[in-house]
Parts: sequence; C-alpha cells; structure tokens
Amino acid sequence: GESVGLHLPTLSVQEGDNSIINCAYSNSASDYFIWYKQESGKGPQFIIDIRSNMDKRQGQRVTVLLNKTVKHLSLQIAATQPGDSAVYFCAENTDYNQGGKLIFGQGTELSVKP
Amino acid sequence: DSGVTQTPKHLITATGQRVTLRCSPRSGDLSVYWYQQSLDQGLQFLIHYYNGEERAKGNILERFSAQQFPDLHSELNLSSLELGDSALYFCASSPRTGYGYTFGSGTRLTVV
Repeated sequence: GESVGLHLPTLSVQEGDNSIINCAYSNSASDYFIWYKQESGKGPQFIIDIRSNMDKRQGQRVTVLLNKTVKHLSLQIAATQPGDSAVYFCAENTDYNQGGKLIFGQGTELSVKP
Repeated sequence: DSGVTQTPKHLITATGQRVTLRCSPRSGDLSVYWYQQSLDQGLQFLIHYYNGEERAKGNILERFSAQQFPDLHSELNLSSLELGDSALYFCASSPRTGYGYTFGSGTRLTVV
C-alpha cells in the first residue's frame, strides 16, 4: 500500500518575528532535555539544553523553558531568520548521569518567510 | 563538521542483502548511539554502546546488530534487508554522561 509520511506540525513566521516551538514530553522522570535543529539531508544539530533542576536557560537568540508540572518544554527563537528554517526536535533523557538514550519528539517544521 | 564521522553517506542495495554502517565518535567520547530516521517513524533509538559494552537497546530488529570496537568506533550491521529498512541512520556520541550528544551527518540507506 501507499506509505504515509510523518505529518509534522508546521509553524510559519515572518522574518524578524519571534518563534515559539512547543513540546510535550512523556516521562516525568526525565532529567535532561535538548532541542535539536535538523536541516534537510543533515544530522540533528544541538541548539540548547536544560537540566530538570532549572526552568529556564538562555543562549544566543534562543531560550528554553521547562515546566515539569505539565511536562512541557518550549523553544523561543528571537528575531527569526530565514536560516532558522528547519525541523526542530525536542529530546528527553531519563538517565543523564549514565549517558542514557535520548527519546525524541515528533518534530516541528519552522518556515521563515523573508 | 560535528566531529562524528559516518560512512558511507549513501548506500543503495537490494532486498535480502547485508550492509555495514560505520561511525567514528568525537575524540574523547566513550558513548555511541544509533538512531533510525524514517518518514513515518521519526527518530527512533536503536542501541547504545559505552566503552565497548552494550548499555541499552531500543527498537532494534533481530536482523540488526551493532558493536563498538576498542578504538571506540562502532558498526551497525543490517542483514536480510527489506524495503522498509530504507531510512536515514544516524549515530551520535557523547562523553561519559549524557551531556553533549553530537550527531553525525547520517547514512542514507535505500533498499530496492
């Protein structure tokens, strides 16, 4: 039969606007979270991470917010640029100190209009 | 360049065949993880090796196997290939702890 591709949520923003990408994670025991950016044909690229003992962390133009109460993670990108267009994945780790595996969310496709 | 090297970049093979994918982790990283990315399944964890020992298995088929060698490079062996095995295969490496996962650029496997 015909295969069906993974239908990713899509966020379309105007260049210069701020973007907010949301993620619901699955395991309340997860203690480490990472946001990755994946461009077409490339591997996931690290953007920013956060440990479970924090609720906010800022990087260059990016901020990650963690709400453990509702198991929610968000990535905020300030002054979004066309080069930010990509698929963004959140990932959770339930065993940070032992180098445990990452479990990925489904991803969100960000499209930036110039 | 992420520092994680995967070869080959592209691989086309026929059903029933066997292939080997190779991954060299970043210098100093002891952990290697393998992930499969297909259109309908997203990024799926396959297996994790730490300093030569298997640490965790995910959704890895019995037809698939992996190992990590003393020089820390890893190989993922896929046998009795089926059309549904067509996907991108990524490896990632990290130091002892889970911090600092870095992905390679992947191997695109096409089974025809």
